[in-house]
Amino acid sequence: DAGVIQSPRHEVTEMGQEVTLRCKPISGHNSLFWYRQTMMRGLELLIYFNNNVPIDDSGMPEDRFSAKMPNASFSTLKIQPSEPRDSAVYFCASRAGVLNTGELFFGEGSRLTVL
Amino acid sequence: SQELEQSPQSLIVQEGKNLTINCTSSKTLYGLYWYKQKYGEGLIFLMMLQKGGEEKSHEKITAKLDEKKQQSSLHITASQPSHAGIYLCGADRGDDKIIFGKGTRLHILP
Repeated sequence: DAGVIQSPRHEVTEMGQEVTLRCKPISGHNSLFWYRQTMMRGLELLIYFNNNVPIDDSGMPEDRFSAKMPNASFSTLKIQPSEPRDSAVYFCASRAGVLNTGELFFGEGSRLTVL
Repeated sequence: SQELEQSPQSLIVQEGKNLTINCTSSKTLYGLYWYKQKYGEGLIFLMMLQKGGEEKSHEKITAKLDEKKQQSSLHITASQPSHAGIYLCGADRGDDKIIFGKGTRLHILP
Protein backbone atom coordinates (compact mmCIF):
# COMPACT_ATOMS: atom_id res chain seq x y z
CA ASP A 1 0.00 0.00 0.00
CA ALA A 2 1.22 3.53 -0.79
CA GLY A 3 0.36 4.86 2.64
CA VAL A 4 -1.49 8.09 3.38
CA ILE A 5 -1.01 10.49 0.50
CA GLN A 6 -1.18 14.25 0.93
CA SER A 7 -0.99 17.04 -1.59
CA PRO A 8 0.45 19.52 -2.11
CA ARG A 9 3.64 18.90 -0.12
CA HIS A 10 4.42 22.59 -0.10
CA GLU A 11 2.23 25.60 -0.72
CA VAL A 12 3.08 29.27 -0.60
CA THR A 13 0.20 31.67 -0.97
CA GLU A 14 -0.75 35.22 -0.21
CA MET A 15 -3.05 36.32 2.56
CA GLY A 16 -6.66 36.19 1.54
CA GLN A 17 -6.28 33.38 -0.95
CA GLU A 18 -8.12 30.09 -0.68
CA VAL A 19 -6.07 27.03 0.21
CA THR A 20 -7.16 23.43 -0.34
CA LEU A 21 -5.20 20.55 1.11
CA ARG A 22 -5.94 17.00 0.01
CA CYS A 23 -5.62 13.60 1.59
CA LYS A 24 -6.03 10.05 0.41
CA PRO A 25 -6.18 7.64 3.36
CA ILE A 26 -5.02 4.05 3.27
CA SER A 27 -7.55 1.84 1.58
CA GLY A 28 -9.82 0.12 4.08
CA HIS A 29 -9.17 2.60 6.88
CA ASN A 30 -12.37 4.13 8.21
CA SER A 31 -11.02 6.82 10.54
CA LEU A 32 -9.35 9.95 9.19
CA PHE A 33 -7.72 12.75 11.16
CA TRP A 34 -6.47 16.23 10.25
CA TYR A 35 -3.74 17.77 12.43
CA ARG A 36 -1.85 21.04 12.36
CA GLN A 37 1.72 21.33 13.67
CA THR A 38 3.47 24.52 14.73
CA MET A 39 6.43 25.19 16.96
CA MET A 40 4.30 27.04 19.49
CA ARG A 41 1.31 24.75 19.73
CA GLY A 42 2.68 21.37 18.76
CA LEU A 43 0.49 18.85 16.95
CA GLU A 44 -3.14 19.90 17.25
CA LEU A 45 -6.12 17.80 16.24
CA LEU A 46 -8.39 19.83 13.97
CA ILE A 47 -11.10 17.34 13.00
CA TYR A 48 -11.64 13.65 12.61
CA PHE A 49 -14.01 11.46 10.60
CA ASN A 50 -15.37 7.97 11.12
CA ASN A 51 -16.85 6.27 8.05
CA ASN A 52 -16.76 9.61 6.18
CA VAL A 53 -18.80 11.37 8.88
CA PRO A 54 -17.25 14.27 10.84
CA ILE A 55 -17.29 13.26 14.49
CA ASP A 56 -15.50 16.08 16.26
CA ASP A 57 -14.52 19.40 14.70
CA SER A 58 -13.95 21.26 17.96
CA GLY A 59 -10.30 21.75 17.05
CA MET A 60 -11.05 23.72 13.90
CA PRO A 61 -9.75 27.21 14.67
CA GLU A 62 -12.56 29.23 13.15
CA ASP A 63 -15.09 29.41 10.37
CA ARG A 64 -12.39 30.01 7.81
CA PHE A 65 -11.50 26.34 8.13
CA SER A 66 -13.66 23.58 6.69
CA ALA A 67 -13.12 19.88 6.01
CA LYS A 68 -14.99 17.36 3.94
CA MET A 69 -14.81 13.67 3.25
CA PRO A 70 -17.07 12.96 0.26
CA ASN A 71 -16.02 9.31 0.10
CA ALA A 72 -13.82 6.78 1.87
CA SER A 73 -10.77 7.54 -0.26
CA PHE A 74 -10.60 11.32 -0.23
CA SER A 75 -10.70 14.24 2.17
CA THR A 76 -10.02 17.95 1.87
CA LEU A 77 -9.15 20.69 4.32
CA LYS A 78 -9.95 24.16 3.06
CA ILE A 79 -8.92 27.54 4.42
CA GLN A 80 -10.74 30.55 3.05
CA PRO A 81 -9.51 33.23 3.36
CA SER A 82 -6.02 32.27 4.49
CA GLU A 83 -4.03 34.35 6.98
CA PRO A 84 -0.32 34.39 7.89
CA ARG A 85 -1.07 32.73 11.24
CA ASP A 86 -2.33 29.69 9.34
CA SER A 87 1.23 28.92 8.30
CA ALA A 88 2.00 25.45 9.59
CA VAL A 89 2.46 21.85 8.56
CA TYR A 90 -0.85 20.08 8.11
CA PHE A 91 -0.92 16.33 8.57
CA CYS A 92 -3.53 13.83 7.58
CA ALA A 93 -3.66 10.42 9.29
CA SER A 94 -5.83 7.34 8.97
CA ARG A 95 -6.56 4.32 11.10
CA ALA A 96 -8.37 1.03 10.61
CA GLY A 97 -11.29 0.38 12.89
CA VAL A 98 -12.58 2.43 15.79
CA LEU A 99 -12.11 2.40 19.53
CA ASN A 100 -8.33 2.28 19.91
CA THR A 101 -7.64 -0.61 17.63
CA GLY A 102 -4.32 0.22 16.11
CA GLU A 103 -1.64 2.34 14.60
CA LEU A 104 -2.37 5.80 13.31
CA PHE A 105 -0.69 6.19 9.91
CA PHE A 106 0.47 9.69 8.98
CA GLY A 107 1.03 11.29 5.62
CA GLU A 108 4.17 13.30 4.89
CA GLY A 109 2.37 16.55 5.60
CA SER A 110 1.57 19.71 3.65
CA ARG A 111 3.73 22.69 4.56
CA LEU A 112 1.70 25.87 4.17
CA THR A 113 3.20 29.33 4.12
CA VAL A 114 0.85 32.30 3.97
CA LEU A 115 2.56 35.58 3.17
CA SER B 1 -2.71 19.66 24.29
CA GLN B 2 -2.79 20.63 27.94
CA GLU B 3 -4.41 17.25 28.65
CA LEU B 4 -1.20 15.50 27.72
CA GLU B 5 2.06 16.76 29.17
CA GLN B 6 5.47 15.67 27.94
CA SER B 7 8.72 16.19 29.76
CA PRO B 8 11.29 17.33 29.23
CA GLN B 9 10.53 19.71 26.36
CA SER B 10 14.05 19.26 25.07
CA LEU B 11 16.94 17.02 25.89
CA ILE B 12 20.60 17.01 24.95
CA VAL B 13 22.57 13.86 25.70
CA GLN B 14 25.97 12.50 24.88
CA GLU B 15 26.03 9.64 22.42
CA GLY B 16 25.98 6.35 24.27
CA LYS B 17 24.03 7.65 27.26
CA ASN B 18 20.59 6.46 28.35
CA LEU B 19 17.62 8.77 28.51
CA THR B 20 13.96 8.82 29.50
CA ILE B 21 11.03 10.85 28.20
CA ASN B 22 7.76 11.06 30.12
CA CYS B 23 4.16 11.52 29.08
CA THR B 24 1.43 12.25 31.62
CA SER B 25 -2.32 12.41 31.13
CA SER B 26 -4.91 14.02 33.36
CA LYS B 27 -7.36 11.27 32.36
CA THR B 28 -7.23 7.49 32.09
CA LEU B 29 -6.02 6.38 28.72
CA TYR B 30 -7.36 3.63 26.50
CA GLY B 31 -4.36 3.73 24.22
CA LEU B 32 -1.01 5.47 24.27
CA TYR B 33 1.06 6.00 21.13
CA TRP B 34 4.70 6.93 20.75
CA TYR B 35 5.90 8.49 17.51
CA LYS B 36 9.22 9.85 16.33
CA GLN B 37 9.58 12.73 13.91
CA LYS B 38 12.74 13.74 12.13
CA TYR B 39 13.02 17.50 11.83
CA GLY B 40 10.90 18.66 8.88
CA GLU B 41 9.52 15.21 8.12
CA GLY B 42 6.50 13.04 8.89
CA LEU B 43 5.75 10.94 11.96
CA ILE B 44 7.11 7.43 12.37
CA PHE B 45 5.18 5.00 14.54
CA LEU B 46 7.23 3.46 17.36
CA MET B 47 4.72 1.56 19.47
CA MET B 48 1.29 1.54 21.06
CA LEU B 49 0.44 0.56 24.63
CA GLN B 50 -3.02 -0.34 25.84
CA LYS B 51 -2.87 -2.35 29.03
CA GLY B 52 -1.90 -1.12 32.46
CA GLY B 53 1.65 -2.19 33.23
CA GLU B 54 2.36 -3.02 29.61
CA GLU B 55 5.88 -2.69 28.30
CA LYS B 56 7.09 -2.90 24.72
CA SER B 57 10.51 -2.69 23.13
CA HIS B 58 11.76 -1.91 19.67
CA GLU B 59 15.50 -2.16 19.20
CA LYS B 60 16.97 0.09 21.91
CA ILE B 61 13.71 1.87 22.71
CA THR B 62 11.42 0.66 25.51
CA ALA B 63 8.08 2.16 26.46
CA LYS B 64 5.96 1.46 29.52
CA LEU B 65 2.42 2.34 30.54
CA ASP B 66 1.75 2.58 34.27
CA GLU B 67 -0.91 0.52 36.05
CA LYS B 68 -3.29 3.46 36.29
CA LYS B 69 -2.90 4.08 32.56
CA GLN B 70 -2.18 7.76 33.04
CA GLN B 71 1.56 7.91 32.58
CA SER B 72 4.00 6.48 30.08
CA SER B 73 7.76 6.62 29.81
CA LEU B 74 9.99 6.03 26.82
CA HIS B 75 13.52 4.92 27.52
CA ILE B 76 16.40 4.84 25.06
CA THR B 77 19.44 2.77 25.91
CA ALA B 78 22.88 3.67 24.58
CA SER B 79 21.65 6.57 22.46
CA GLN B 80 22.89 7.03 18.90
CA PRO B 81 22.80 9.99 16.50
CA SER B 82 19.96 8.23 14.64
CA HIS B 83 17.78 8.66 17.74
CA ALA B 84 17.78 12.43 17.36
CA GLY B 85 14.43 14.01 16.55
CA ILE B 86 11.12 14.90 18.13
CA TYR B 87 9.32 12.27 20.21
CA LEU B 88 5.56 12.64 20.49
CA CYS B 89 3.15 10.79 22.70
CA GLY B 90 -0.46 10.49 21.61
CA ALA B 91 -3.47 9.44 23.63
CA ASP B 92 -6.76 7.78 22.84
CA ARG B 93 -9.12 8.35 25.76
CA GLY B 94 -11.67 5.89 24.47
CA ASP B 95 -13.62 8.28 22.29
CA ASP B 96 -11.52 7.58 19.21
CA LYS B 97 -10.14 11.11 19.44
CA ILE B 98 -6.34 10.99 19.42
CA ILE B 99 -4.52 13.98 20.85
CA PHE B 100 -0.79 14.58 21.14
CA GLY B 101 1.59 16.22 23.55
CA LYS B 102 3.84 19.03 22.38
CA GLY B 103 6.78 16.69 21.94
CA THR B 104 10.29 16.29 23.28
CA ARG B 105 13.18 17.47 21.12
CA LEU B 106 16.11 15.12 21.48
CA HIS B 107 19.63 16.08 20.43
CA ILE B 108 22.49 13.61 20.52
CA LEU B 109 26.01 14.95 20.89
CA PRO B 110 28.74 12.92 19.15
